[in-house]
Amino acid sequence: NAGVTQTPKFQVLKTGQSMTLQCAQDMNHEYMSWYRQDPGMGLRLIHYSVGAGITDQGEVPNGYNVSRSTTEDFPLRLLSAAPSQTSVYFCASSPGANEQYFGPGTRLTVT
Amino acid sequence: DAKTTQPTSMDCAEGRAANLPCNHSTISGNEYVYWYRQIHSQGPQYIIHGLKNNETNEMASLIITEDRKSSTLILPHATLRDTAVYYCIVRDRYGGATNKLIFGTGTLLAVQP
Repeated sequence: NAGVTQTPKFQVLKTGQSMTLQCAQDMNHEYMSWYRQDPGMGLRLIHYSVGAGITDQGEVPNGYNVSRSTTEDFPLRLLSAAPSQTSVYFCASSPGANEQYFGPGTRLTVT
Repeated sequence: DAKTTQPTSMDCAEGRAANLPCNHSTISGNEYVYWYRQIHSQGPQYIIHGLKNNETNEMASLIITEDRKSSTLILPHATLRDTAVYYCIVRDRYGGATNKLIFGTGTLLAVQP
């Protein structure tokens, strides 16, 4: 299994641009989540999904959209990038109420 | 979810046991203790979790006090590759609707050669 994969690894955007961060898992996990991590801080939940076709907001959802059309994929869309969205983004999946498996992260800089 | 308190940083000599403490005095009866770690520039990695009994797996041991107000993660023979930030997280077994993890700032374990 490849586990949880994220693309791209690095991205630089200009203010106002949009883009999609990709996340995929090959473990047939129901739960998938997106977190962001700012320097010196813990991870904060952006959006999550409990299964295909079902998504909901976490604690910091503003400026982000998600969709879950398949079990495997959970893309995160930045609608209009802002410097405050400069962060490291982690995608995670879990087989229900168990340990979560994290991807390697996407490092995003918005100038 | 209950709050946890961890030391900001710790050192450990390579080959020795690393004992990482965590206080969770407000833990409730249905909450588990989870440990994750994050090696620099990588995603968090699950280590172990437990409710009230001590747990051991191939990575570590988890010792939970009888009153469940604190716990200790033990890495029996620390290596340089164990240098990371270690997070102690208390949460309901089912994580609520979000299944989310609440990460604090954790303990930076530095394994010294």
